[in-house]
Amino acid sequence: KQEVTQIPAALSVPEGENLVLNCSFTDSAIYNLQWFRQDPGKGLTSLLLIQSSQREQTSGRLNASLDKSSGRSTLYIAASQPGDSATYLCAACFTGGFKTIFGAGTRLFVKA
Amino acid sequence: NAGVTQTPKFRVLKTGQSMTLLCAQDMNHEYMYWYRQDPGMGLRLIHYSVGEGTTAKGEVPDGYNVSRLKKQNFLLGLESAAPSQTSVYFCASSYPEGRPTYEQYFGPGTRLTVT
Repeated sequence: KQEVTQIPAALSVPEGENLVLNCSFTDSAIYNLQWFRQDPGKGLTSLLLIQSSQREQTSGRLNASLDKSSGRSTLYIAASQPGDSATYLCAACFTGGFKTIFGAGTRLFVKA
Repeated sequence: NAGVTQTPKFRVLKTGQSMTLLCAQDMNHEYMYWYRQDPGMGLRLIHYSVGEGTTAKGEVPDGYNVSRLKKQNFLLGLESAAPSQTSVYFCASSYPEGRPTYEQYFGPGTRLTVT
C-alpha cells in the first residue's frame, strides 16, 4: 500500500531558526512530490514541486529535496519567521499522474 | 484568472438531505479531483476525472457521485448525507494540456456539517 508519512506532527521553533520538515513515502515509483502550505481554515497553497528526475527545488527561503531510492523528501526553511507558521503538507504523485497520496502534515509554529 | 473556485463555502445539512458541490477552474486543466480533509487524516481522494466526460473512484468514494459534463466544471454530489460526511471538501485541478507536470492547484474548500 502506498503511504506518505510526515514527521514531526508538530514543531515549535524560535524566530530565525533554520528547520527541516520530513516526508517519507513507501513506493519509489513516484512521478513527483509537491509541498503545500495550509493556513487555518484555508485551502492549500503550492510551495514547491519536484519532478522524479530532479533532486531539489528552491524558492526563496525554501528548499525541497527528493531522494527516490530512500523514499524521502525534506523541506528546508531558512531563517524562519512568525509568518511561516502554518501546516505543511507533502503529497506524492505516483505513476499515472492522478494518484496522489497526502501526508497528514506538520504543524509549524514560529515564535517571535 | 480566478484559478479554482468552489461553491458554496459553507453548508449545513440534515441527515438524509442531498446537495451538490460545484468546482470550477479556468486554467484549461485536464484533470480534476475531489478530496476530503478530516482532522489527523490528511486529504483523501474521493473521485477524480482525467478529462471531460470521464470520472473514476478514488480512495473513499462511497456515498458520493460526480460528474464532469464540461471540462472546466467538476460536480460532487451527496445523495443522502450522513454525519460521517461532515468534513472539509477540497477541489483541485492539474495537467494543463501539453504540460504534464501534474502540479495540483486547490480551491478554497467547502466546510460541510451534517447533523
